[in-house]
Amino acid sequence: DAKTTQPPSMDCAEGRAANLPCNHSTISGNEYVYWYRQIHSQGPQYIIHGLKNNETNEMASLIITEDRKSSTLILPHATLRDTAVYYCIVRVGGSQGNLIFGKGTKLSVKP
Amino acid sequence: DSGVTQTPKHLITATGQRVTLRCSPRSGDLSVYWYQQSLDQGLQFLIQYYNGEERAKGNILERFSAQQFPDLHSELNLSSLELGDSALYFCASSHSSGMGRGDTQYFGPGTRLTVL
Repeated sequence: DAKTTQPPSMDCAEGRAANLPCNHSTISGNEYVYWYRQIHSQGPQYIIHGLKNNETNEMASLIITEDRKSSTLILPHATLRDTAVYYCIVRVGGSQGNLIFGKGTKLSVKP
Repeated sequence: DSGVTQTPKHLITATGQRVTLRCSPRSGDLSVYWYQQSLDQGLQFLIQYYNGEERAKGNILERFSAQQFPDLHSELNLSSLELGDSALYFCASSHSSGMGRGDTQYFGPGTRLTVL
């Protein structure tokens, strides 16, 4: 599975959009981009995933660049409860087995 | 609430002992995954079962074993425990074996193991 690069930390003001970047320059054509987050020591929470088109659900939007070498997770109106570590993971759609978690981005939402 | 349940929430035991962690997947999910999260290692994949059979293996120690039962719940057995085994243990489940687009893993709340 391709490697991802994320900034170690980011701040965001409450009520503003949080834009979390992820670089995955070695991604191949059949690899999906997944986003999870982990709040304190809770179990990782699935947020969204996509292949090449932009995706939106009730939690967030995922914007994938045309060359698929990077993506951005957007939380449209961040709240204090969105403070968490966010993980960007790329994974082959036909693969079996595990997710490989890196260090992620620690997002701090401030009042 | 992801629908994945894990018991117990907390476990405190001594070195050399053996413990069993239990996981019930979401209704309809056939795959169960086990992960370990320690302070210095981050989230590490241990093992996956699909419909009762071992499907993939990660960095699981020989002292650790797992199984998935006909009702699809899974147990992770940790034996000859060492101080370094203290960690959070998460179980995740997904519908399929990992093949295909719709395979999303949903995580349980975890079991915190403390070895004294």
